[in-house]
Amino acid sequence: ETGVTQSPTHLIKTRGQQVTLRCSSQSGHNTVSWYQQALGQGPQFIFQYYREEENGRGNFPPRFSGLQFPNYSSELNVNALELDDSALYLCASSSKDLLQETQYFGPGTRLLVL
Amino acid sequence: GDSVTQMEGPVTLSEEAFLTINCTYTATGYPSLFWYVQYPGEGLQLLLKATKADDKGSNKGFEATYRKETTSFHLEKGSVQVSDSAVYFCALRSISNYQLIWGAGTKLIIKP
Repeated sequence: ETGVTQSPTHLIKTRGQQVTLRCSSQSGHNTVSWYQQALGQGPQFIFQYYREEENGRGNFPPRFSGLQFPNYSSELNVNALELDDSALYLCASSSKDLLQETQYFGPGTRLLVL
Repeated sequence: GDSVTQMEGPVTLSEEAFLTINCTYTATGYPSLFWYVQYPGEGLQLLLKATKADDKGSNKGFEATYRKETTSFHLEKGSVQVSDSAVYFCALRSISNYQLIWGAGTKLIIKP
C-alpha cells in the first residue's frame, strides 16, 4: 500500500509569485485535505476535495485554490505569495465512502517566501 | 465553533517517567478525537484515536480515553523513552465535515 506523497519537499519563492504543490493520496482514498502549519503551531485547515469537488474550506483567501484529479491526486495553488505564506503545507488523504475518517498525512512541503 | 486546547510545552521529563499531556475540547455533538505525533523534520503520524465516549485509544504504550463528561482526551504513557521526544497534537474531527481541528501542539523532551 502506497502512502501519501508530496512534492516538492522544499521550495523558495519571492513575494508576489505563484506556487503549485502536489499530493498523491494513499491507495484506495478519494478525499484529500490540505493544511497549513506555521512554525510552532498546529495545522490550519485550508480546504478538502472529495471526488474532484471542493468539499469544505477553512478561513483562507481565494488566492488559495486547489484541484483534485480523477486519480484523486491533488494540487494546492497559491497566487500572489505573501511573506506570511511561509509554512509547512500538509496534505492528508482519507476515504469518505469507506467511512475511514482517519486522515493519513504526507511529509509536507516546506515553503519559504522571501 | 469547535476548538481544541492542549497544555503548553515544552514538557521535559526524565526517561521512564510517567507522562500526561492534557487535551480538552469544545465541539458540537460527539466528534472523533485523535492524537498525532510529529517527530523532528517529519510529517504528522496518527498515534491513536477514539470515536465515541469512553473509548480508549492506545498505541506504542500511549493511551487516551474519550471523556464526554469532562470533554477531555488526555494522553498518557507509563514510562517514556528518549525516542518519544516529539511534538504531540490533539485534534478532533468536526461532525459537520471531515475537517480536523487542532490544538497548538505540546513539545515533549525526554532526557536520558
